[in-house]
Amino acid sequence: DADVTQTPRNRITKTGKRIMLECSQTKGHDRMYWYRQDPGLGLRLIYYSFDVKDINKGEISDGYSVSRQAQAKFSLSLESAIPNQTALYFCATSETGTAGQPQHFGDGTRLSIL
Amino acid sequence: GNSVTQMEGPVTLSEEAFLTINCTYTATGYPSLFWYVQYPGEGLQLLLKATKADDKGSNKGFEATYRKETTSFHLEKGSVQVSDSAVYFCALRSYGGATNKLIFGTGTLLAVQP
Repeated sequence: DADVTQTPRNRITKTGKRIMLECSQTKGHDRMYWYRQDPGLGLRLIYYSFDVKDINKGEISDGYSVSRQAQAKFSLSLESAIPNQTALYFCATSETGTAGQPQHFGDGTRLSIL
Repeated sequence: GNSVTQMEGPVTLSEEAFLTINCTYTATGYPSLFWYVQYPGEGLQLLLKATKADDKGSNKGFEATYRKETTSFHLEKGSVQVSDSAVYFCALRSYGGATNKLIFGTGTLLAVQP
């Protein structure tokens, strides 16, 4: 079983629709992250959360919102999807600790907005 | 600010060839450095890491040495296999501060031909 599970794996939707991407983890980590991946741009951080009561904007948070429902769950919402939000989205987790702690990624959600 | 620059791909090699993927960084303080690998259709997996100058990270035949004097963390493998075909990301995280974020390079696609 995957330690970091993202649902759905693929989604095609229309401009203006509200979309929610979900992430759950069984690693027991406090920290969770949402990234988007675009060709030639690497991964860019959308939002991150250090615990249930702590939510922070990343470098590209406009047009997105998040909810940390529990330690194990962190969802990403697009309130009104637009075509340039078409991308591969990743959730990640990490332990609290030093900068040497790696992040652990889910398998991604491929989102297409028509 | 912190940043990571890695060589553009794609890198195309024959099986058993020697691999180098260059990575240089800009950071304040003493960052931890990582290489992640992304196989087709999957999320990123930690390949190796180094947390201080002159450390060598190694895994699955891949190696990278943390060179503070040249601010580099080049990835090497002596003999690549077809199964090594993937996208490789160099990343850093700095000590201190509240974010504990990973900064990624843009990724390098490696294609190994039989």
